Amino acid sequence: GAVVSQHPSRVICKSGTSVKIECRSLDFQATTMFWYRQFPKQSLMLMATSNEGSKATYEQGVEKDKFLINHASLTLSTLTVTSAHPEDSSFYICSASWGRDYGYTFGSGTRLTVV
Amino acid sequence: AQKVTQAQTEISVVEKEDVTLDCVYETRDTTYYLFWYKQPPSGELVFLIRRNSFDEQNEISGRYSWNFQKSTSSFNFTITASQVVDSAVYFCALSNEDQTGANNLFFGTGTRLTVIP
Repeated sequence: GAVVSQHPSRVICKSGTSVKIECRSLDFQATTMFWYRQFPKQSLMLMATSNEGSKATYEQGVEKDKFLINHASLTLSTLTVTSAHPEDSSFYICSASWGRDYGYTFGSGTRLTVV
Repeated sequence: AQKVTQAQTEISVVEKEDVTLDCVYETRDTTYYLFWYKQPPSGELVFLIRRNSFDEQNEISGRYSWNFQKSTSSFNFTITASQVVDSAVYFCALSNEDQTGANNLFFGTGTRLTVIP
């Protein structure tokens, strides 16, 4: 149980285009989802927290107009990297929480390469 | 503020050796949760353990064991008789309690373990 499906696993896009990453909870309702970013050989850094039906909360230094997060339902959150640049190339991974028992399930991650 | 320190950046051991990965944390909360995750080269995060701040009992799961010491704010992870498949990056993480029931994880910088056959 508690599976989070993240797609795509890898994406290569041209500079200036937008990329959407989906994170879907398959067998539970995710009240909260977290989006992390990981540069090569570095730790995971929280980008934003999204709660179903409300605006995402972004961490300091993360551009909300560049990294659009939508959590329209209890099973789906999306991260859209708008006008991507090569410096946005990174590993993006989502995590879903199902509430007070502090269960966290991670998606398999998306490796984004902007050329 | 929450902080997790994994001082060991990289460790190499020969297969069948035991290895301990260190984790030291900082938090002002009295209630918090500690985690260990494994990240193999494929990138996904594999959950290993969650421990709440009120449970200082050490835990053993097969070749894995964890030593939680509140007095030193440490939550160390030991792999006994290491195997090549244990090669990965291991992250220690901390989460504090919140009324909403969900808070993000603060990750350490990770320890890259290489087990040499």
